[in-house]
Amino acid sequence: DTEVTQTPKHLVMGMTNKKSLKCEQHMGHRAMYWYKQKAKKPPELMFVYSYEKLSINESVPSRFSPECPNSSLLNLHLHALQPEDSALYLCASRATGLYGYTFGSGTRLTVV
Amino acid sequence: QQQVKQSPQSLIVQKGGISIINCAYENTAFDYFPWYQQFPGKGPALLIAIRPDVSEKKEGRFTISFNKSAKQFSLHIMDSQPGDSATYFCAASRNNFNKFYFGSGTKLNVKP
Repeated sequence: DTEVTQTPKHLVMGMTNKKSLKCEQHMGHRAMYWYKQKAKKPPELMFVYSYEKLSINESVPSRFSPECPNSSLLNLHLHALQPEDSALYLCASRATGLYGYTFGSGTRLTVV
Repeated sequence: QQQVKQSPQSLIVQKGGISIINCAYENTAFDYFPWYQQFPGKGPALLIAIRPDVSEKKEGRFTISFNKSAKQFSLHIMDSQPGDSATYFCAASRNNFNKFYFGSGTKLNVKP
């Protein structure tokens, strides 16, 4: 299995809703990432988990809450989002050492 | 401060032509330089990567040229095809550091 699987593919939520994005990989990668990507922009790093521990938080607002239940799963909990948070949310994983990311196909999030 | 600068922002090439995208970096500690290809609605996919101990790497129609002294690297797509039409991102990272710095992206359109 050489994929990163993200669910759901699309999500529409109101500003008072609570929802979660899910990411799963079975490649044995011990680094997992959440990225946010706006249209015509490069991916913007949000969080990094290394060996299931949060190692980088790029000053992301607390309405985004990451969770890494085990080495294969990564969640992003969403609460009280703003319309400007609408974007493509990408999960990625990477093997230890100098290797590139494997990205999932993303969740297209729309906040209304 | 933008760690990796990418140009051009957009590129139109005729089928069979050569597409060239350039990137420049400042941090001499970077030692891994991947290129990603992203189709609309999909996550970026690792295309090819290079380390600074070589000046060129070729995989099929895709070649990375690396100039360590100039702190520049470029992607060459030979015999460009309409199926290559996508957005391309360069990136840079350094060993034991769980973060990649992306260029701003180049939208390539290959005309039939």
